[in-house]
Amino acid sequence: DADVTQTPRNRITKTGKRIMLECSQTKGHDRMYWYRQDPGLGLQLIYYSFDVKDINKGEISDGYSVSRQAQAKFSLSLESAIPNQTALYFCATSEAGLAGPTDTQYFGPGTRLTVL
Amino acid sequence: GIQVEQSPPDLILQEGANSTLRCNFSDSVNNLQWFHQNPWGQLINLFYIPSGTKQNGRLSATTVATERYSLLYISSSQTTDSGVYFCAVALYNFNKFYFGSGTKLNVKP
Repeated sequence: DADVTQTPRNRITKTGKRIMLECSQTKGHDRMYWYRQDPGLGLQLIYYSFDVKDINKGEISDGYSVSRQAQAKFSLSLESAIPNQTALYFCATSEAGLAGPTDTQYFGPGTRLTVL
Repeated sequence: GIQVEQSPPDLILQEGANSTLRCNFSDSVNNLQWFHQNPWGQLINLFYIPSGTKQNGRLSATTVATERYSLLYISSSQTTDSGVYFCAVALYNFNKFYFGSGTKLNVKP
């Protein structure tokens, strides 16, 4: 079984709808991240969480919210989806380090979201 | 935030050829990783290499932290090496990664 899973893998929705993307991990890592990738570009950080009670905004958090339901689960919500949120969304995990992320990030398979 | 620049942006190789991909970054980092994104979109960790040199089969990577760059070497390229290669860095005491825009590699048979 994959260490980091994302559901759904593909989703098509309409403008204005609320969408939730879910991420689960079995690696036992404290840190979890949500990234967005636009076609032909690198990844941009949306939100990150160091533990259940610690959630932080990334570079592009406007229009998104997150929930860390447990150490293993981190959900991303689009409250009112718009077409320019069409992208590939990745969840990632990493181990906590004393001075920042000192270990490898492990990525889920991605969710391809299309907003019409 | 930190600037991460990758070169070249696009690369076309004949199967069997060697290549070098470069990642420059604008500040001191305590974490640098190389990833391969395959044509299906999946991101695969290649190396965690904040400094020094590592090798894994036909791939190797070198990071010269004092000069703020990292190199990824691909030898005897295969069609399965095609995809996009990303460099990602994290600053000391900052807890998020910055990604470059990637090098898109196409290996032709």
